[in-house]
Amino acid sequence: TQLLEQSPQFLSIQEGENLTVYCNSSSVFSSLQWYRQEPGEGPVLLVTVVTGGEVKKLKRLTFQFGDARKDSSLHITAAQPGDTGLYLCAGVKLAGGGSNYKLTFGKGTLLTVNP
Amino acid sequence: GAGVSQTPSNKVTEKGKYVELRCDPISGHTALYWYRQSLGQGPEFLIYFQGTGAADDSGLPNDRFFAVRPEGSVSTLKIQRTERGDSAVYLCASSLARAGPYNEQFFGPGTRLTVL
Repeated sequence: TQLLEQSPQFLSIQEGENLTVYCNSSSVFSSLQWYRQEPGEGPVLLVTVVTGGEVKKLKRLTFQFGDARKDSSLHITAAQPGDTGLYLCAGVKLAGGGSNYKLTFGKGTLLTVNP
Repeated sequence: GAGVSQTPSNKVTEKGKYVELRCDPISGHTALYWYRQSLGQGPEFLIYFQGTGAADDSGLPNDRFFAVRPEGSVSTLKIQRTERGDSAVYLCASSLARAGPYNEQFFGPGTRLTVL
């Protein structure tokens, strides 16, 4: 069961446009992570947000964690073809007897940036 | 340095057969995770090892799935009596021992399993 809802599921835009993808949940997480996955590869961590209301910037990418630590957004400015990929959010929560910070992934947003 | 490696990259098998999928974690990483990613879905947690022991196997879907990590490094995911619904990409990840909300996991490229 996926506890994280990502939207939109698919997004196709032109180079230079801005975009925002959303990650929503009814659960509170210790932190939230954003990953990018390319075909035939595993997900690669982009950022971890921990504090409610936190904003982190990574070049043209801006990540925000909701005040209640249940939701997050990823904003990309002036998208480029190299940004094409599957963007996954993952909620991090302590589980498994207290030693496992388990990741629960959303379904992802498949972004295509056309030149 | 070397990342997480998984072999084989692709595995095609017939329904009812047994398969083994291998994961070599990053050297020095004591935590190891297995995930399954079906088409159009995000990765779903299967099992977590801390050292040699399975600390959390709550994600294994049924008793046909089993994983071992006998020396605390390489891990093998074993699937008995495979079913067509087992077809997916199986991802392995590793991380350093310290627990915490940052918990950075490093993923391998996955093994694509196809059950005919």
